[in-house]
Amino acid sequence: EVQLVEFGGGLVTPGGSLRLSCAASGFTFSNAWMSWVRQAPGKGLEWVGRIKRKNEGGTTDYAAPVKGRFTISRDDSKNTLYLQMNSLKTEDTAVYYCTTLVPYFDNWGQGTLVTVSS
Amino acid sequence: DIQMTQSPSTLSASVGDRVTITCRASQSISSWLAWYQQKPGKAPKLLIYKASNLKSGVPSRFGGSGSGTEFTLTISSLQPDDFATYYCQQYESYSPYTFGQGTKLEIK
Repeated sequence: EVQLVEFGGGLVTPGGSLRLSCAASGFTFSNAWMSWVRQAPGKGLEWVGRIKRKNEGGTTDYAAPVKGRFTISRDDSKNTLYLQMNSLKTEDTAVYYCTTLVPYFDNWGQGTLVTVSS
Repeated sequence: DIQMTQSPSTLSASVGDRVTITCRASQSISSWLAWYQQKPGKAPKLLIYKASNLKSGVPSRFGGSGSGTEFTLTISSLQPDDFATYYCQQYESYSPYTFGQGTKLEIK
């Protein structure tokens, strides 16, 4: 059974940084494209970014609102996906979901809440 | 960006009803469309991919159709577990992947 478990969310002040992690199991993580999707409180779903598998270069792509501030990486030896978030803004407040990408969002984690507030 | 527009935004229906949700793309996306179901406080779940392909384990009362710019999600006979918010999403272009604004399906 595919499992994705995110952690690392919390309260951070504007301009601060936070790193989210997503522990994957139940599938061959190194073969998977992975993605982050977020959802602001009471709002819809917004794609954040994606990372290809290493044998395809491990290339990353990002949505415009986070490009240059967020970085997605992966550690295939630990079956873990990361989202490094820098220069956080209040509008980044959301639940962040880790997903497999096939190229639709096939499996989702339970999400982790990031609150950016002073 | 490819804009995705769902209608209606809210839908009231009763158990046993047949309901249809529409999703329109701002340009042709062929059949590169997925549908998701989300319940309050939970992660979204994939229902349908490539416009009409049911994910394994999804009840057969769910169906998808369409191509190009217009798509529909149909639930043939609503069950109590189906009251949720539904989102469409295009993956013709990853730059960026985009979702519809959601359709909340409520109990009448």
